[in-house]
Amino acid sequence: GAVVSQHPSRVICKSGTSVKIECRSLDFQATTMFWYRQFPKQSLMLMATSNEGSKATYEQGVEKDKFLINHASLTLSTLTVTSAHPEDSSFYICSARDRSSGGRRFHNEQFFGPGTRLTVL
Amino acid sequence: AQKITQTQPGMFVQEKEAVTLDCTYDTSDPSYGLFWYKQPSSGEMIFLIYQGSYDQQNATEGRYSLNFQKARKSANLVISASQLGDSAMYFCAMRRLQGGSEKLVFGKGTKLTVNP
Repeated sequence: GAVVSQHPSRVICKSGTSVKIECRSLDFQATTMFWYRQFPKQSLMLMATSNEGSKATYEQGVEKDKFLINHASLTLSTLTVTSAHPEDSSFYICSARDRSSGGRRFHNEQFFGPGTRLTVL
Repeated sequence: AQKITQTQPGMFVQEKEAVTLDCTYDTSDPSYGLFWYKQPSSGEMIFLIYQGSYDQQNATEGRYSLNFQKARKSANLVISASQLGDSAMYFCAMRRLQGGSEKLVFGKGTKLTVNP
């Protein structure tokens, strides 16, 4: 159990276009989802925390108007990169926190999606 | 400020030998959690092991064990009997509480190469 999917796995787009990335928890409900960005050969950096039914909380330095996050249901969060530019090319990974702690290895465990590789030409 | 430090950008180990990946952390929180994740070239983050700050014993998960030294603020990962499939990036992470929500802070990672 505890599977998180992301779609698409890879996307190539032209500069100036918008790209939407979906993150789904397949077999559990996630009140909180997290969006990370990872540049080549670097670590994961938290971009924002997404809570179901409320506005996302962005980390310092992350433009909320550029990276739109919607968490409309307990199993789906979306990240839209608006007016993408080459410097937005990166690996975007989401994680979801299980609503219940029962049966998990530890409380509030996060489960990661497989990631989406975005290339902006 | 909470911080994770991984001082080894790259490590090499012979197949079937053990290897230790270093991780030190800095936090003023009385309660925290430490994680190790494996990231192969495909990019997925694979959970390996977790250590709670109040856990009395060092965590173990199969070939993975965590050498937790609280006074030194270190949480090194030990991989025993290395396999070729262990070649990957390894990230140490700490769970911290900020603004009422829990977040993960990651180190810069260590690239492990297992040689045949």
